[in-house]
Amino acid sequence: IAGITQAPTSQILAAGRRMTLRCTQDMRHNAMYWYRQDLGLGLRLIHYSNTAGTTGKGEVPDGYSVSRANTDDFPLTLASAVPSQTSVYFCASSETAQGGYTFGSGTRLTVV
Amino acid sequence: GEDVEQSLFLSVREGDSSVINCTYTDSSSTYLYWYKQEPGAGLQLLTYIFSNMDMKQDQRLTVLLNKKDKHLSLRIADTQTGDSAIYFCAERNNQGGKLIFGQGTELSVKP
Repeated sequence: IAGITQAPTSQILAAGRRMTLRCTQDMRHNAMYWYRQDLGLGLRLIHYSNTAGTTGKGEVPDGYSVSRANTDDFPLTLASAVPSQTSVYFCASSETAQGGYTFGSGTRLTVV
Repeated sequence: GEDVEQSLFLSVREGDSSVINCTYTDSSSTYLYWYKQEPGAGLQLLTYIFSNMDMKQDQRLTVLLNKKDKHLSLRIADTQTGDSAIYFCAERNNQGGKLIFGQGTELSVKP
């Protein structure tokens, strides 16, 4: 593993099903983030975690939950998927100060 | 609240310079970033500028910051077809450190 790994790379999901998107980083970054990317809207923050054991809500948290049991992993769960959650999901991490984020390659999710 | 705005499209000819513009609202922004996203890929950090700087140059890339007008620009000299991508501007304030992204500017480079 080098950087951030997201899984799966793509998924088609029936509405109402539960789904967990996985994100793992090996850089020992304290902060991790989940964004969704939609055409014309850019990236919108769903949830974030400044350090292991803490999480916070972003701009569009409804319908999503996260956990941060350790430094490396930051899974995103859709409890009951709806079609409006069709999107590309990006996980990112950062050190606490400058340098910007490191992004994963994304998960393309289609809810039908 | 915080907001970052970009125009959605820019088309240039190969060899010309490209200038991608961005405006932001949060005057407490500490760092401002430019990211590049190629088709089907995640975002890659291109460059960033600290808020007490006016300009930063890195090879073909020049970042200009007008803090008074809250305006950021990215100039790409001698634009190549490989520069075709979506470019995102982002700001980071000193509260929580979360990045706020613009909508992205799709740069199309024609041969």
